[in-house]
Amino acid sequence: GESVGLHLPTLSVQEGDNSIINCAYSNSASDYFIWYKQESGKGPQFIIDIRSNMDKRQGQRVTVLLNKTVKHLSLQIAATQPGDSAVYFCAETLTGANSKLTFGKGITLSVRP
Amino acid sequence: GAVVSQHPSWVICKSGTSVKIECRSLDFQATTMFWYRQFPKQSLMLMATSNEGSKATYEQGVEKDKFLINHASLTLSTLTVTSAHPEDSSFYICSAKPPGQGHDTQYFGPGTRLTVL
Repeated sequence: GESVGLHLPTLSVQEGDNSIINCAYSNSASDYFIWYKQESGKGPQFIIDIRSNMDKRQGQRVTVLLNKTVKHLSLQIAATQPGDSAVYFCAETLTGANSKLTFGKGITLSVRP
Repeated sequence: GAVVSQHPSWVICKSGTSVKIECRSLDFQATTMFWYRQFPKQSLMLMATSNEGSKATYEQGVEKDKFLINHASLTLSTLTVTSAHPEDSSFYICSAKPPGQGHDTQYFGPGTRLTVL
């Protein structure tokens, strides 16, 4: 569940299970969304993206779902592995010449062996 | 492709000194780079947008005289933290976006851990 203060929410899953990480974005005008993975002490790593004209996009072991009606984005990871343990951030933007990313708060994924 | 590097990866300095952090796009040219700050257990907060050959655009609440940004070439942006104080201790991350239409993804550097004593 979600905790208060400066602690990021944590999702704990068993190795091999599927993970679903959710994100509520803020700007209904945003038209491009990205999921990033950040390991401790490192910069964010691109996982998958989706544009607002789509509601689902699949990558290797990952799927992103977009529900514009409720401004909700989710990341599904199939067959979660220990190497998937990290903090996951969703980011949104309105594309254009002066576009900039707005990051969500982040969720820690912890994979139990 | 789309590799971004930062130097140094970590730095410790005394209060009152200035620190320069470099951000380089290694295999593409970036007319736009971004600087973020991240405190422990928190998300990334955009500090400024760095545009090659022009002045940076700072986010509200970010002191431009304290955080000097220079984007002198298409592959290099620098962030200088002037007169650093302990509250400036943080993880500073840059990103770069390849130019042209269709390139909306930002690629991030590995970050620089700044500790001000």
